[in-house]
Amino acid sequence: QAVVTQEPSLTVSPGGTVTLTCGSSTGAVTSGHHPYWFQQKPGQAPRTLIYQTSNKQSWTPARFSGSLLGGKAALTLSGAQPEDEAEYYCLLSYSGGRVFGGGTKLNVL
Amino acid sequence: EVQLVESGGGLVQPGGSLRLSCAGSGFTFSSYWMSWVRQAPGKGLEWVARIKEDGGEKYYVDSVKGRFSISRDNAKNSLYLQMDSLRAEDTAVYYCARDYPGYWGQGTLVTVSS
Repeated sequence: QAVVTQEPSLTVSPGGTVTLTCGSSTGAVTSGHHPYWFQQKPGQAPRTLIYQTSNKQSWTPARFSGSLLGGKAALTLSGAQPEDEAEYYCLLSYSGGRVFGGGTKLNVL
Repeated sequence: EVQLVESGGGLVQPGGSLRLSCAGSGFTFSSYWMSWVRQAPGKGLEWVARIKEDGGEKYYVDSVKGRFSISRDNAKNSLYLQMDSLRAEDTAVYYCARDYPGYWGQGTLVTVSS
């Protein structure tokens, strides 16, 4: 099965902008991989931020956006807040099956 | 309001079996693909299995093929995961999820240990 790669950790300053990426061992990520992005805080269940590349859930803050960038799926956070410190996971679809990335620990410092 | 509530987790010995259930409400259960996702202690998320709206297609991660079986009963708005031949590495919180546009339950803990 495919391997999905994410940055293990990133740091952003409060108010700053950061982009998390999600790559695939099979080649460029496309809209056909239906990229999803999830946020998980310690002790909590994951929650969906972005589905199918760039669509936001009703609870997704406007400062989060999803896109395709340089052959990868991307999650951009513009105007980081302390409460955005969390683990972020991407999920890609492959012919019916799905694979999560290893997650990115985002620090807001 | 969409709700997904898992049940059936617990402590089981290696080689044993367990059946997880997920009750869906607040949406037309029969209209959505559903998935199981797990998270081992201190680890990342791992997609386990998913099932089509009518149960006609099922997909599994390689590590559970032949041991786990996903099923659903649309009349009962319920999703299931039958887990056989359990191993220590199956220890995790198991989440039920509606694939589109991504709703999650709170999870149920499965511990495989002697």
